[in-house]
Amino acid sequence: AQTVTQSQPEMSVQEAETVTLSCTYDTSESDYYLFWYKQPPSRQMILVIRQEAYKQQNATENRFSVNFQKAAKSFSLKISDSQLGDAAMYFCAYRTRSTGNQFYFGTGTSLTVIP
Amino acid sequence: NAGVTQTPKFRVLKTGQSMTLLCAQDMNHEYMYWYRQDPGMGLRLIHYSVGEGTTAKGEVPDGYNVSRLKKQNFLLGLESAAPSQTSVYFCASSYSNPLSQGAGANVLTFGAGSRLTVL
Repeated sequence: AQTVTQSQPEMSVQEAETVTLSCTYDTSESDYYLFWYKQPPSRQMILVIRQEAYKQQNATENRFSVNFQKAAKSFSLKISDSQLGDAAMYFCAYRTRSTGNQFYFGTGTSLTVIP
Repeated sequence: NAGVTQTPKFRVLKTGQSMTLLCAQDMNHEYMYWYRQDPGMGLRLIHYSVGEGTTAKGEVPDGYNVSRLKKQNFLLGLESAAPSQTSVYFCASSYSNPLSQGAGANVLTFGAGSRLTVL
């Protein structure tokens, strides 16, 4: 069974600093997709960044980047120049190309940004 | 550009009552999903659908039923609500083809969530 683990229930970062959120996953597949979703207090789930497993290059989206280590099954999110608006719950997710293309989510990391 | 719309956004039920959550998407997505979100548990898949007229069980299907009579709609039903079903429910949709390209490929698009309280 596929599982996604986020070992940091809560994290905090000073405004303008950098923070890294951890995610590991367990899979027997070689082709899959990984995502980070952000959930602000509004409750809306917002896609932050995605990574295709077949791509070796780490994905980046402005201040957000990932460190994808396929052999280690690790997918961490780095937020640079943290802003107050980055405060939210962050979920790591995995999508398999088999078994109905299901998405599996971690338990989330609550990020606080300190002014 | 509505995306995924869930109704209602809030509901309070008494134990044993029934209700239906409606999810509608206007992106022509083949796949639709119902998740529940509980503190410390992340999002857990209840049921999903790979196309009109088809449904399948997810991780936590007990106590819920679903139907997908039209491609754009996915209904989640609670026949006899229990306090353990107090949660925030999210509907989501996606394209089915993993090879789809473009910004929307392989991405889950979520509704705004529905908070259900069972007393």
